Amino acid sequence: SQKIEQNSEALNIQEGKTATLTCNYTNYSPAYLQWYRQDPGRGPVFLLLIRENEKEKRKERLKVTFDTTLKQSLFHITASQPADSATYLCALDPTGRRALTFGSGTRLQVQP
Amino acid sequence: DTAVSQTPKYLVTQMGNDKSIKCEQNLGHDTMYWYKQDSKKFLKIMFSYNNKELIINETVPNRFSPKSPDKAHLNLHINSLELGDSAVYFCASSQEVGTGNGYTFGSGTRLTVV
Repeated sequence: SQKIEQNSEALNIQEGKTATLTCNYTNYSPAYLQWYRQDPGRGPVFLLLIRENEKEKRKERLKVTFDTTLKQSLFHITASQPADSATYLCALDPTGRRALTFGSGTRLQVQP
Repeated sequence: DTAVSQTPKYLVTQMGNDKSIKCEQNLGHDTMYWYKQDSKKFLKIMFSYNNKELIINETVPNRFSPKSPDKAHLNLHINSLELGDSAVYFCASSQEVGTGNGYTFGSGTRLTVV
């Protein structure tokens, strides 16, 4: 069966460090992968999209990598700040399905 | 100037009742979605509409019926509510489905069935 896996344990890091979150998937051949941020009581907010022919994408302090051989995406936040504390979700669109399937998310806590 | 707005934000109702959740987007997107987020925070697709046409209908009980009067609105009607329907329901929209454009989500409707 198709699966998207994110580390369900919370990630705690110190302010200023780089946070790295992992998204693994099986039995998909996605054309792209997306990352979202969700704060408590709010809807997910789109952050970044990376396509299958792109190895890396950057946006300000965010960096996403996409390894279609390993079936893995890494999401990095450099110089992390307490305001980065949230749950981060990866999502992809199984070919032909035309709707995003989301991972369960990883909660990031940045300590001041 | 809210992009995707859902009403109501909170809904508490008794088992067996029928209720509706409304969603509107002012982004000009052509595709709208309903997602359910359960107590474990897992987001699951329920329905999607593209230009008022139903394109995804996941394994959802028949008690759930989406309605799209125009491409800016997608409402969700739930009949005979059950305890297990308690969850947060999110509406979302995107442009050009399948191209990878990011989704814009509403702030959610927390449904509690008692």
